[in-house]
Amino acid sequence: DSGVTQTPKHLITATGQRVTLRCSPRSGDLSVYWYQQSLDQGLQFLIQYYNGEERAKGNILERFSAQQFPDLHSELNLSSLELGDSALYFCASSRRDFSSGNTIYFGEGSWLTVV
Amino acid sequence: GENVEQHPSTLSVQEGDSAVIKCTYSDSASNYFPWYKQELGKGPQLIIDIRSNVGEKKDQRIAVTLNKTAKHFSLHITETQPEDSAVYFCAASIDNQGGKLIFGQGTELSVKP
Repeated sequence: DSGVTQTPKHLITATGQRVTLRCSPRSGDLSVYWYQQSLDQGLQFLIQYYNGEERAKGNILERFSAQQFPDLHSELNLSSLELGDSALYFCASSRRDFSSGNTIYFGEGSWLTVV
Repeated sequence: GENVEQHPSTLSVQEGDSAVIKCTYSDSASNYFPWYKQELGKGPQLIIDIRSNVGEKKDQRIAVTLNKTAKHFSLHITETQPEDSAVYFCAASIDNQGGKLIFGQGTELSVKP
């Protein structure tokens, strides 16, 4: 158990709908990362928040957004869902927002299926 | 931006043999290189990492080597066991870019008893 908690574990929704994925980082971690894992794209970095502020942005679609709340939990919002958005979404957390001495731990993921 | 290439995509070995997975990175500013193991239905789990000021690191049956000049790093697993079967990902990170990890495409390792 990494200490990173993600809900829901599984979600099935229809095209055009909106969903929210939730993440609670490890105790004491200030940085939260979101990744998308699909068969053809591998593990793709979406976005990172550090202590409530957006820190880095990757290949995140405009239909997707995220935020980190004062209690440090984070939410990833996916809207106008398409079939191609079906994937495993991982949240990860770490103490800091730079590489040195900063281990990143992953949650178990939220499996999204769009039908 | 940073790009990480990983080879091979699949690797099958006999129990007790060694397995080697190789990665190359594009940005010379990268300074942190972790390896993750992902089992079916689970999230990636850190198994070993190396920082740019070190050439080699070992932890029991697992070792990682880094060649900064050539911009490549490798994972070595000795005396493989069936429970080593999983997908392994290499990643690279740049200190001043928030610490985010850029992953390779993954290697599916199968250890046959």
